[in-house]
Amino acid sequence: QVQLHESGPGLVKPSETLSLTCTVSGYSISSGFYWGWIRQPPGKGLEWIASIFHSGSTFYNPSLKSRVAISVDTSKNQFSLKLTSVTAADTAVYYCARGGSTWFLSYWGQGTLVTVSS
Amino acid sequence: QSALTQPPSASESPGQSVTISCTGTSSDVGAYNHVSWYQQHPGQAPKLMIYEVNKRPSGVPDRFSGSKSGSTASLTVSGLQAEDEADYYCSSPAGSNNYVLFGGGTKLTVL
Repeated sequence: QVQLHESGPGLVKPSETLSLTCTVSGYSISSGFYWGWIRQPPGKGLEWIASIFHSGSTFYNPSLKSRVAISVDTSKNQFSLKLTSVTAADTAVYYCARGGSTWFLSYWGQGTLVTVSS
Repeated sequence: QSALTQPPSASESPGQSVTISCTGTSSDVGAYNHVSWYQQHPGQAPKLMIYEVNKRPSGVPDRFSGSKSGSTASLTVSGLQAEDEADYYCSSPAGSNNYVLFGGGTKLTVL
């Protein structure tokens, strides 16, 4: 059973960097598929942020590309998200997920709320 | 890039059928047969219901079906049940198949 769990600070100050980690169990990241981050501002819809394939190829939302980095640590079976220069507009529930053979997302973490506030 | 267009809400009585549309462009929905649909109950993570336009993951009832015509995809839920009441989001790759768009979401109410 594939499980994903997000972790990281729940509060980040404006202009600082948001850093989140997704720990995967039940499947080895290096075995295949792709891994991604999606966010959902309170009361709003889903927004895809970034994905990374097991090969290391990365893909970013064009509207966030200048501030986002996604990476994988296969030794820890984790992947991470960094979002720089955050503002209140980055306040959201952040989900990590595992992709399928194409761009769909098969397994999701439970999400973690990150609030940007001083 | 803009989000895919979904109606904000839909409603129907138990036992009936409802169809939710997802309209994109020739650069996203119209370009790829990779539309997926997600169900989200309040306070929960999204759940994959349909992928690659009309395929159902294991465990998803066959009451859920998907289709696509041109740049518009659709999710049909037949034999509506109370537990189908949720938000539904469509998704599609976009650009040169190098990023992903979501729809704005549709709140489905089972009357």
